[in-house]
Amino acid sequence: TQLLEQSPQFLSIQEGENLTVYCNSSSVFSSLQWYRQEPGEGPVLLVTVVTGGEVKKLKRLTFQFGDARKDSSLHITAAQPGDTGLYLCAGVYNFNKFYFGSGTKLNVKP
Amino acid sequence: DAGVTQSPTHLIKTRGQQVTLRCSPKSGHDTVSWYQQALGQGPQFIFQYYEEEERQRGNFPDRFSGHQFPNYSSELNVNALLLGDSALYLCASSAGTSSREKLFFGSGTQLSVL
Repeated sequence: TQLLEQSPQFLSIQEGENLTVYCNSSSVFSSLQWYRQEPGEGPVLLVTVVTGGEVKKLKRLTFQFGDARKDSSLHITAAQPGDTGLYLCAGVYNFNKFYFGSGTKLNVKP
Repeated sequence: DAGVTQSPTHLIKTRGQQVTLRCSPKSGHDTVSWYQQALGQGPQFIFQYYEEEERQRGNFPDRFSGHQFPNYSSELNVNALLLGDSALYLCASSAGTSSREKLFFGSGTQLSVL
């Protein structure tokens, strides 16, 4: 059972397009993290958001934490083939227990 | 500076067997967590070890057990393997148990149960 629902599950776009990935839950989290995972590797942390309404930018990636700390979004501007991978959100709940969503598999075609 | 290392990288077992997976945390890290990632799914939390004790546990049966050694390395043991235990097993290390700590993941052990 996944506490966090991610959408869409799959996304295939052309280089240069914009996209948004969503992470939703009915639970309140103390913080939320986004990871990217490439085939044959473990997830790599991209960002941690802590405060409701918080927005963080990492180059072409923009992360937002919902006001109620139950949901988050990841927006990628002008996607590049190097952005291809599995994007995972993880909610931190009950002190240092990380719950991961099922992920969004992104494929950016050149 | 070595990151999180896991061994073996791949493993094939048959139903009913037992398996032990190993993890060495990143230098300076004292907390190790184990996750199970089934194909097409996100990682599922198994348990976390700190100061050689299990501190948190996810919704996994007692067939899944672990250990942390004084040097902070850790083992995951799974008894009486089932076909459904086939998955990528990830180890993550962090410094301390604060919820704001960054998790560093290893590349995982791919377990296939036949």
